[in-house]
Amino acid sequence: EAGVAQSPRYKIIEKRQSVAFWCNPISGHATLYWYQQILGQGPKLLIQFQNNGVVDDSQLPKDRFSAERLKGVDSTLKIQPAKLEDSAVYLCASSPGQGNLYEQYFGPGTRLTVT
Amino acid sequence: AQSVTQLGSHVSVSEGALVLLRCNYSSSVPPYLFWYVQYPNQGLQLLLKYTSAATLVKGINGFEAEFKKSETSFHLTKPSAHMSDAAEYFCAVGHQAGTALIFGKGTTLSVSS
Repeated sequence: EAGVAQSPRYKIIEKRQSVAFWCNPISGHATLYWYQQILGQGPKLLIQFQNNGVVDDSQLPKDRFSAERLKGVDSTLKIQPAKLEDSAVYLCASSPGQGNLYEQYFGPGTRLTVT
Repeated sequence: AQSVTQLGSHVSVSEGALVLLRCNYSSSVPPYLFWYVQYPNQGLQLLLKYTSAATLVKGINGFEAEFKKSETSFHLTKPSAHMSDAAEYFCAVGHQAGTALIFGKGTTLSVSS
């Protein structure tokens, strides 16, 4: 079974530029999460999707961050414009939504550096 | 509100020694608790989980954790450390199936020969 795929793995941009990250969850997983992991901290939820609907985006900085999950499969997270404090690893995770309800499977992450 | 506190940002042990990583949680509802491991430049891998069944949970790679409600703790242990156990470990709490997890700040485990 293929795991959660993310791209790119690394990205360096200047502040005020825009950037987009892509996530392909495990096939059949209904729930998709985007987490932000700042160096030295644990991951923090940005947004959670159930199929193609948003369940929780309370911690998403909506003035600069946006996310979508087209057709309930792949998802894209965008930052526009980027700030220095957005430097972090962005992790995508997916969950079956049934059966093993408590398992979240994580992708390798995208490391963003804003200069 | 839920929160997780991991005591000790860095733990060092010798190969073959006991590993003990501490995690305390705060939750107003029955918690679901998890330990994840993260190797450099990789995503998080689930070690074990507590979901209101047995309080002593066994996971992969010889790790186990015990849920103690009276102490609000979920400490991770392994009887004998291997060099390959060197990584970052995260404790996390959730409150129902499918909700996002709240993570602690992590503990870096170093293993020396």
